[in-house]
Amino acid sequence: KAGVTQTPRYLIKTRGQQVTLSCSPISGHRSVSWYQQTPGQGLQFLFEYFSETQRNKGNFPGRFSGRQFSNSRSEMNVSTLELGDSALYLCASSQRQSTDTQYFGPGTRLTVL
Amino acid sequence: GENVEQHPSTLSVQEGDSAVIKCTYSDSASNYFPWYKQELGKRPQLIIDIRSNVGEKKDQRIAVTLNKTAKHFSLHITETQPEDSAVYFCAASIYSGSGGGADGLTFGKGTHLIIQP
Repeated sequence: KAGVTQTPRYLIKTRGQQVTLSCSPISGHRSVSWYQQTPGQGLQFLFEYFSETQRNKGNFPGRFSGRQFSNSRSEMNVSTLELGDSALYLCASSQRQSTDTQYFGPGTRLTVL
Repeated sequence: GENVEQHPSTLSVQEGDSAVIKCTYSDSASNYFPWYKQELGKRPQLIIDIRSNVGEKKDQRIAVTLNKTAKHFSLHITETQPEDSAVYFCAASIYSGSGGGADGLTFGKGTHLIIQP
């Protein structure tokens, strides 16, 4: 099976812009979770989607949002970008819930200037 | 919410020796504890996980122990090899049951494991 894929791999934006990141889970996986990784804060949970519904949400502002499509592919959107949003954004897929084994994608490196 | 503390932040061991990384968690409802290895520039990869109905789990040179009473769990790597050099993350999660999913993984800050030749 193909692994989790994320596009784009690298992105440079300026403050105030918005960005959309995409994640394609492993075939058959229905749960997609998103994480932000920074040197200072480490890996932090953003949200989880299952069957097109947001099932759980971490402690991030409303500028961070996401959605999931019927084929389980997921997108996350960050509006009104801030310098502090520069990070590696990782998605992970699992079969049913995030306590099933999560497989991570390669991440999208977002730089906000 | 859940809080996971991980120690040490850096661990240097001689090749062939053992390495131990420790994590504590705050929410007694947490019941799933995975460990991830992340090499530089690569994605985190699951190396072992344990659920709260098990006290210890082994997979070749890697073992994880869980003490629910003390709310801590540890990763043990024996006979370390150069390819074990990486950042290791522990995590904890609460499974809500009834198809309700879980609260997402709460990660420790990571341990940079350095294997000295």
